[in-house]
Amino acid sequence: DAGVIQSPRHEVTEMGQEVTLRCKPISGHNSLFWYRQTMMRGLELLIYFNNNVPIDDSGMPEDRFSAKMPNASFSTLKIQPSEPRDSAVYFCASSSGTGATNEKLFFGSGTQLSVL
Amino acid sequence: GEDVEQSLFLSVREGDSSVINCTYTDSSSTYLYWYKQEPGAGLQLLTYIFSNMDMKQDQRLTVLLNKKDKHLSLRIADTQTGDSAIYFCAESYDYKLSFGAGTTVTVRA
Repeated sequence: DAGVIQSPRHEVTEMGQEVTLRCKPISGHNSLFWYRQTMMRGLELLIYFNNNVPIDDSGMPEDRFSAKMPNASFSTLKIQPSEPRDSAVYFCASSSGTGATNEKLFFGSGTQLSVL
Repeated sequence: GEDVEQSLFLSVREGDSSVINCTYTDSSSTYLYWYKQEPGAGLQLLTYIFSNMDMKQDQRLTVLLNKKDKHLSLRIADTQTGDSAIYFCAESYDYKLSFGAGTTVTVRA
């Protein structure tokens, strides 16, 4: 199993540009999570999908952030327009849990985003 | 909200035991977890404990849970240089995991 695959590993962009982060969850997992990690705020849950449906997006910072999961094997997180304060490591994680069971999350390697 | 607190740093000599402590707030958490993050990598599940257990041992890892005090600890026996990493405690509520800030463990020779 290849695990959770994220791309790109690193992204450097200029303020105002659109950024798209990609994630392929582990095959068979029905839950997908996007997290953001910064020194100041630690790990923050941005959005949670279950069976491709967004269940909780209360962690999405503002309207500049959007996430989609068009099918069970692919998800995107888009920032438009990007700002320097969006600089962080963005992780995608998947699990086979449903919330009522043991949520063992499997994380991707993350995308290091730098907005100049 | 749910808060998980950990000490930020731990320095330990190679071969000694490491103990990382964590406190959590949600008494209804069913499972509590320890994740490890190595530089440049994502979080990796190390171990977890069901809330009705007091202790769980897995090779060099021992997890202790004091549900009354909402205190969780991870003991690493015979700490090695490869154990240098950030360790995150997490509690589950609904479908979410709430993570602590992470404890950076540095193993010195």
